[in-house]
Amino acid sequence: FMLTQPHSVSESPGKTVTISCTRSSGSIASNYVQWYQQRPGSFPTTVIYEHNQRPSGVPYRFSGSIDSSSNSASLTISGLQTEDEADYHCQSYDSSNWVFGGGTKLTVL
Amino acid sequence: QLQLQESGPGLVKPSETLSLSCTVSGGSISSSIYYWGWVRQPPGKGLEWIGSIYYSGSAYYNLSLKSRVTISVDTSKNQFSLTLNSVTAADTAVYYCARLPDCSSTRCLGVDYWGQGTLVTVSS
Repeated sequence: FMLTQPHSVSESPGKTVTISCTRSSGSIASNYVQWYQQRPGSFPTTVIYEHNQRPSGVPYRFSGSIDSSSNSASLTISGLQTEDEADYHCQSYDSSNWVFGGGTKLTVL
Repeated sequence: QLQLQESGPGLVKPSETLSLSCTVSGGSISSSIYYWGWVRQPPGKGLEWIGSIYYSGSAYYNLSLKSRVTISVDTSKNQFSLTLNSVTAADTAVYYCARLPDCSSTRCLGVDYWGQGTLVTVSS
């Protein structure tokens, strides 16, 4: 299966942005979805795991959800800050095979 | 603190073989709830899972690369390795080694440890 993300999104500081991740086949609910933040020159770090769980240290402004009707997952960032500008990647799996989305560049302007 | 470190050549010629190793320190590679895997990222593009291996040697590969990829593990050295045959310019990427949870056995935290990444360029 594939995970499809928008190539880029942009929003102003203080606003809320949502990034989608659509699964091409199989149910989005059948395997957990994770979200990673990646700043230039660095490896990715997890901001959401198991659809909607936040690792310790990740601000409450980050939240995750899934929608079975659209077979997609979403990452929502509220109260946008300039430091949130980064690439965001969704990831899921099927058996022992992992799949990443194509990544979304978030611009905070 | 667990650390992963990639090693290998940064330049490979077209049609030749890319070989990388990942040394795990600060913990044992012999865990039944984690895979050890490789993820790559071409310049300016997204992440691509290449494959994963258990300490027992059971390996799983991305179908799009399966015919060219081998991942192996050496528990005595706490290392695992990647071999990619018949490389082309499309294989130019930053290659990361990583620890991936077995989501059927433990919390699905996502990749929780990454190597720093090593840029491999395919060029003559």
